[in-house]
Amino acid sequence: VITQSPATLSVSPGETATLSCRASQNVNNKLVWYQQRPGQAPRLLIHGASTRATGIPARFRGSGSGTEFTLTISGLQSEDSAVYYCQHYNNWRGTFGPGTTVHIK
Amino acid sequence: QVQLVESGGGLVQPGGSLRLSCVVSGLSFRSYAFQWVRRAPGKGLQWIAAISSDGNYKTHSDSLKGRFTIARDNSENTLYLQMNSLTVEDTARYYCARDFYHETTANDVFDIWGQGTLVTVSS
Repeated sequence: VITQSPATLSVSPGETATLSCRASQNVNNKLVWYQQRPGQAPRLLIHGASTRATGIPARFRGSGSGTEFTLTISGLQSEDSAVYYCQHYNNWRGTFGPGTTVHIK
Repeated sequence: QVQLVESGGGLVQPGGSLRLSCVVSGLSFRSYAFQWVRRAPGKGLQWIAAISSDGNYKTHSDSLKGRFTIARDNSENTLYLQMNSLTVEDTARYYCARDFYHETTANDVFDIWGQGTLVTVSS
């Protein structure tokens, strides 16, 4: 089971958002973050808990290990308004967290 | 360029069936595993199914209770999702995605996605 908190986050442009993801058991580093903007398909952000995908700006930072993970978005921009999901995928099965919705004030 | 284009969605009555397709272009389809993921209105992403590059290995979400089946045709560069005994809870946008294995982090990631096809189950 994957849980995420908070469910919703409202932040001002330029501020930092901190999103949490917790797994019910050790997932090692098999933890991926996706962003889904309104009306768009999901987009890969982070894999291996902390490695940015190609083309993802450095203001997106993933951290954590074991069961506790964090996605930190610094210098928030209007385009960052989206739902962010963490996901564990192992042995050909995937589990997404419920998501955190980030609103830009 | 790389494209994943889903089709086959639409309005279906409860108890009915649909087959979704995902046509892939711009990459070597037969070299990759693929996935289906859905998002119901007001809800989050849900993993549905995975299929190996040669189609010989498939897994499905236990929550689907055997109603959905993933398949592929490597000669047609097409991924499929057969959906039976549909219920209103299956109403969602369905996405196909490429499964790419990153050796550096030993993570499978869904790095290329289609825009999805909308399935509405209603009487």
